[in-house]
Amino acid sequence: GEDVEQSLFLSVREGDSSVINCTYTDSSSTYLYWYKQEPGAGLQLLTYIFSNMDMKQDQRLTVLLNKKDKHLSLRIADTQTGDSAIYFCAESKTGTASKLTFGTGTRLQVTL
Amino acid sequence: KAGVTQTPRYLIKTRGQQVTLSCSPISGHRSVSWYQQTPGQGLQFLFEYFSETQRNKGNFPGRFSGRQFSNSRSEMNVSTLELGDSALYLCASSTVTGELFFGEGSRLTVL
Repeated sequence: GEDVEQSLFLSVREGDSSVINCTYTDSSSTYLYWYKQEPGAGLQLLTYIFSNMDMKQDQRLTVLLNKKDKHLSLRIADTQTGDSAIYFCAESKTGTASKLTFGTGTRLQVTL
Repeated sequence: KAGVTQTPRYLIKTRGQQVTLSCSPISGHRSVSWYQQTPGQGLQFLFEYFSETQRNKGNFPGRFSGRQFSNSRSEMNVSTLELGDSALYLCASSTVTGELFFGEGSRLTVL
């Protein structure tokens, strides 16, 4: 079955790097996504990676994908207080791009 | 470009009532998806509509239904509300590449 797991909480100091991890079980996943949710708000797409890639960089964000271990990570460089939010990883399959299976979410707390 | 608009943002209903939530997608987006977010179950896919047809469906009972109009606006309806239906209902519209853009959600409280 489909299952996407994340750790619940991560605390980092401002200026440090944050690494949020995600594991998934479905090897037929086509795209893997990272979303950000701030309090009282909807989901904001941060970045995504196609399953045949192993890395994608977008400004302060770096996504690493280990397809063999079904492990996805999001690294945020120079973490700022505005990065405090809940981060969700999600996966989709070919033909069902709008049907995402979301992880449980990781709450990132950035301290001064 | 305006984002995804959901109405109402907050509503309170009682058990047994029904509710209709509305979603206006980003202009030009023809696909609209609905998700339920609860503290216990997290984010779960409800259904997706494309060109007025339901294209995908999640594992929710028949009390949950939706539709899409010719202008791509979508509504979802929940009948015979239960306490467990209290949730944030998120709508997303997507491009042909499949990127989802979410609205801020409709928070439903069932008393």
